Amino acid sequence: DAGVIQSPRHEVTEMGQEVTLRCKPISGHNSLFWYRQTMMRGLELLIYFNNNVPIDDSGMPEDRFSAKMPNASFSTLKIQPSEPRDSAVYFCASSLGGTNEKLFFGSGTQLSVL
Amino acid sequence: SQKIEQNSEALNIQEGKTATLTCNYTNYSPAYLQWYRQDPGRGPVFLLLIRENEKEKRKERLKVTFDTTLKQSLFHITASQPADSATYLCALPAWGGYNKLIFGAGTRLAVHP
Repeated sequence: DAGVIQSPRHEVTEMGQEVTLRCKPISGHNSLFWYRQTMMRGLELLIYFNNNVPIDDSGMPEDRFSAKMPNASFSTLKIQPSEPRDSAVYFCASSLGGTNEKLFFGSGTQLSVL
Repeated sequence: SQKIEQNSEALNIQEGKTATLTCNYTNYSPAYLQWYRQDPGRGPVFLLLIRENEKEKRKERLKVTFDTTLKQSLFHITASQPADSATYLCALPAWGGYNKLIFGAGTRLAVHP
């Protein structure tokens, strides 16, 4: 299995631009998570989906952030408009979806907003 | 709200020694706890899960303990090797949060030859 696939690996953009991050979870996994990692705040959960339905988006910082999961094999995290404080590494993770389940993380997208 | 604390200072040890990392949590009693390893530029990788009714779990050179009275988990790497150098994160399910995992800030381990 290829694991969780994220794209792009790196994104550099200017303040005010729209940014879209993409994720393909492991086939057969029912839960998908978006995390953000910074030195100051560590790994923060932004939103998670179960069977393509958003379950908890309480970690989404503001209305500028939105996430979708149109089908079981694809999810996007969009930031519009982007700001320098959004600079971070964004990770997507998937799991089988039950309790006690381990997460499988992608390699992340390093986002720099200038 | 629940809090997870890991030692933010890096742990430096000599090759062959046992590394011990600590994870403390407050404000609730999780049903289980997980440990992950993260290398620079990579996503975290799952290592071990321990349930509240398990005192200890082992996997090769790794050992995890879970003390629900102290609200603490200890993560041990015996006979440490330079290849064990990485950041180690503990994670707990959020209170009332289905399978939502909350992570500690992680402790960086450096094993010197």
